[in-house]
Amino acid sequence: DQQVKQNSPSLSVQEGRISILNCDYTNSMFDYFLWYKKYPAEGPTFLISISSIKDKNEDGRFTVFLNKSAKHLSLHIVPSQPGDSAVYFCAASRGGSYIPTFGRGTSLIVHP
Amino acid sequence: GAGVSQTPSNKVTEKGKYVELRCDPISGHTALYWYRQSLGQGPEFLIYFQGTGAADDSGLPNDRFFAVRPEGSVSTLKIQRTERGDSAVYLCASSPLLSTGELFFGEGSRLTVL
Repeated sequence: DQQVKQNSPSLSVQEGRISILNCDYTNSMFDYFLWYKKYPAEGPTFLISISSIKDKNEDGRFTVFLNKSAKHLSLHIVPSQPGDSAVYFCAASRGGSYIPTFGRGTSLIVHP
Repeated sequence: GAGVSQTPSNKVTEKGKYVELRCDPISGHTALYWYRQSLGQGPEFLIYFQGTGAADDSGLPNDRFFAVRPEGSVSTLKIQRTERGDSAVYLCASSPLLSTGELFFGEGSRLTVL
């Protein structure tokens, strides 16, 4: 029973355009939502997060949007760069231990 | 370096053997996590330490898996009687005490059970 779902295994975007990665969750108890980025042969690295009391958080080219009623969040990357090519994991955590639960990931390829 | 260090980076073993995977977290991080990532999947939670004690081991798949952190720093994940299905990348992460899910991961230990 996957509590965090990333239904698109891959996404291909041209350099300079917007990349939109989507994530759905089922557990309404989640307090924080996070995005991690992973390059091959490396561990995931934290990218950006959002609290459940907010609907948007922006950090440079990266913006995360949260729609609590739809239990949906998305990561927008504008403009996309070839160095953004990686696997992006959506994750969610809840109060207490805040242990993140991860989705299966979306592989983003940004073409020059 | 100052990051999370995991050894070995690669381990090939035979079915039925015993394996130990080591994690050296970022200095000062009190929380330590083990995850397992199989091909095409996201990281799957195994166990979480707060200091020396296992605060949550609900993700350990069965009693062949065990982890320790005796001095509140380095941790060892131990797998007994390995099975082919245990083949995966084992990821260790650490975080400061008050983290809302922002973890610092190591590069992982790739375990292959033949």
